[in-house]
Amino acid sequence: AQSVAQPEDQVNVAEGNPLTVKCTYSVSGNPYLFWYVQYPNRGLQFLLKYITGDNLVKGSYGFEAEFNKSQTSFHLKKPSALVSDSALYFCAVRDMVKTSYDKVIFGPGTSLSVIP
Amino acid sequence: DGGITQSPKYLFRKEGQNVTLSCEQNLNHDAMYWYRQDPGQGLRLIYYSQIVNDFQKGDIAEGYSVSREKKESFPLTVTSAQKNPTAFYLCASSIRGRRGEKLFFGSGTQLSVL
Repeated sequence: AQSVAQPEDQVNVAEGNPLTVKCTYSVSGNPYLFWYVQYPNRGLQFLLKYITGDNLVKGSYGFEAEFNKSQTSFHLKKPSALVSDSALYFCAVRDMVKTSYDKVIFGPGTSLSVIP
Repeated sequence: DGGITQSPKYLFRKEGQNVTLSCEQNLNHDAMYWYRQDPGQGLRLIYYSQIVNDFQKGDIAEGYSVSREKKESFPLTVTSAQKNPTAFYLCASSIRGRRGEKLFFGSGTQLSVL
């Protein structure tokens, strides 16, 4: 069965330090992987996606993510955290297996707090 | 500006009452979705529609109903059969049939029970 895990409910990082938000996935075919960010009482905003090609994907607001097929991981990273990065982050996967509906599976979310 | 509009932002439901959440998009997307968000549980799919006049149940459709009479609109009704309706509800849309396409989300509706 398809699934997405985000092993950390909460990540705390000091402003200016690098940050990592972890994601692992399980799918039956090749995955399409996404990261979304949610600010309080708002909808989700797209950050970046991996479809194919280079394992390091660059996205919005200076974020990047590294696809690792052998470890089935897609960790979100940023070299220098900002206080404004504090938000809820969701990893999501879309399975490439052909079905009548290509379902998007979301992880439970990781709350990131950047401390001034 | 193109986007998805959800209304109202806050909604209160009385016992035994049906309430309807509005979702309108001007992105010309064929596919639309309703998700429910509970703290610590991520997003769970309630209903989705890939084309006008057609929709399918998601993972937690019981107690909910939808319609898709126009491409731009995908309202969600929370019926009295939904015993635990308090949650944040998110509407989303995407280009149909292209798995690499991202989802666009509305700003959400917080539903609470009086």
